[in-house]
Amino acid sequence: DIQMTQSPSTLSASVGDRVTITCRASQSISSWLAWYQQKPGKAPKLLIYKASSLESGVPSRFSGSGSGTEFTLTISSLQPDDFATYYCQQYNSYEWTFGQGTKVEIK
Amino acid sequence: QMQLVQSGPEVKKPGTSVKVSCKASGFTFTSSAMQWVRQARGQRLEWIGWIVVGSGNTNYAQKFQERVTITRDMSTSTAYMELSSLRSEDTAVYYCAADRLDRDAFDIWGQGTMVTVSS
Repeated sequence: DIQMTQSPSTLSASVGDRVTITCRASQSISSWLAWYQQKPGKAPKLLIYKASSLESGVPSRFSGSGSGTEFTLTISSLQPDDFATYYCQQYNSYEWTFGQGTKVEIK
Repeated sequence: QMQLVQSGPEVKKPGTSVKVSCKASGFTFTSSAMQWVRQARGQRLEWIGWIVVGSGNTNYAQKFQERVTITRDMSTSTAYMELSSLRSEDTAVYYCAADRLDRDAFDIWGQGTMVTVSS
């Protein structure tokens, strides 16, 4: 099974900061990676698919990059609505796996 | 609009089974894949398994292989997840989510179903 390691687990940042979250796969997954945002008590929301494609309706301050085993989610200028937990999810050999999540907190 | 509506909360005794439903509307159910994910309180998202609706092909996480069955009823645009031999550690919110096969990611999510396992 492919393991996904997200870092950091928690991130403290201020409004306007540039934020980067990393997800590493235990083996190559090409570009089969998605990023989700989850707020307390709510279902996850798709932000990025196929590593770098922005989901419709998602603000352009969100971007994704990477391929193979290393991927990043970047928020170019953190907004109050962005304080949440972010998960990566990979697809390989008919199975999906989530990273352990990164909680973005107010500094 | 595109949505998934899940069945209501469940309270089950250890050793029994639970079946959660997920009704799709607003998109072509037969041209989608449905995954099931769970989340215990304060914990990470955990992938359970998925079904490609058109073919009925399924795949499950190894952890749940022996206890989970995911099915679909195309006549009612509904997917189901049944988990057997329940234990207290299965207490969680269970989500269904749809991939319309154009993103290879899940862009439509249900509201979640709380399953509580308690004696």
